[in-house]
Amino acid sequence: ETGVTQTPRHLVMGMTNKKSLKCEQHLGHNAMYWYKQSAKKPLELMFVYNFKEQTENNSVPSRFSPECPNSSHLFLHLHTLQPEDSALYLCASSQGQGTSGGINYEQYFGPGTRLTVT
Amino acid sequence: AQSVTQPDIHITVSEGASLELRCNYSYGATPYLFWYVQSPGQGLQLLLKYFSGDTLVQGIKGFEAEFKRSQSSFNLRKPSVHWSDAAEYFCAAGSNFGNEKLTFGTGTRLTIIP
Repeated sequence: ETGVTQTPRHLVMGMTNKKSLKCEQHLGHNAMYWYKQSAKKPLELMFVYNFKEQTENNSVPSRFSPECPNSSHLFLHLHTLQPEDSALYLCASSQGQGTSGGINYEQYFGPGTRLTVT
Repeated sequence: AQSVTQPDIHITVSEGASLELRCNYSYGATPYLFWYVQSPGQGLQLLLKYFSGDTLVQGIKGFEAEFKRSQSSFNLRKPSVHWSDAAEYFCAAGSNFGNEKLTFGTGTRLTIIP
């Protein structure tokens, strides 16, 4: 596998279900991101992890719960979602930031998970 | 506040014609600038980036972009489009100050007609 992979590619879930999205990067990067892409809206940054530490939570509802066990893997745990949460969820990675802050290098994206909440 | 504007929501060009997609940014300092392309059902692919130096940058698939500080613009160009270029194009900007994230434009959808 190369680049950034995401599984599953498509997911349909009911509002009472619990599911997880998985992202894996094979680029040796240290920062990982979750984005939400809805129709006719700009790309929305949800979470940022840098060296496994969460550095950004962009006011995301608690029904979305991220997990980053190591620099290569990122999960998004979903529970009691709403129909308006239906969207394409994109994972990305980048070289990341040093401990003293620093540079936001270019981000490499996975193919996304198309989520439909019924 | 930092922002990236792509004024054109949808552009249609004929195959073989030239293309220019517009991007304007509003940042406190010179940002890092990127163009991404997204084909239907896919993630975003990096086309090219500008960090510093030569203001005309070359990317993949025959694309280029020019950074113009005076106009706060970073327009994407291609001399002759191919049907496979039909996709959504996103301009993005980031900063090297601290912990800032990328700001994306709303995208321009490109349609190619035979």
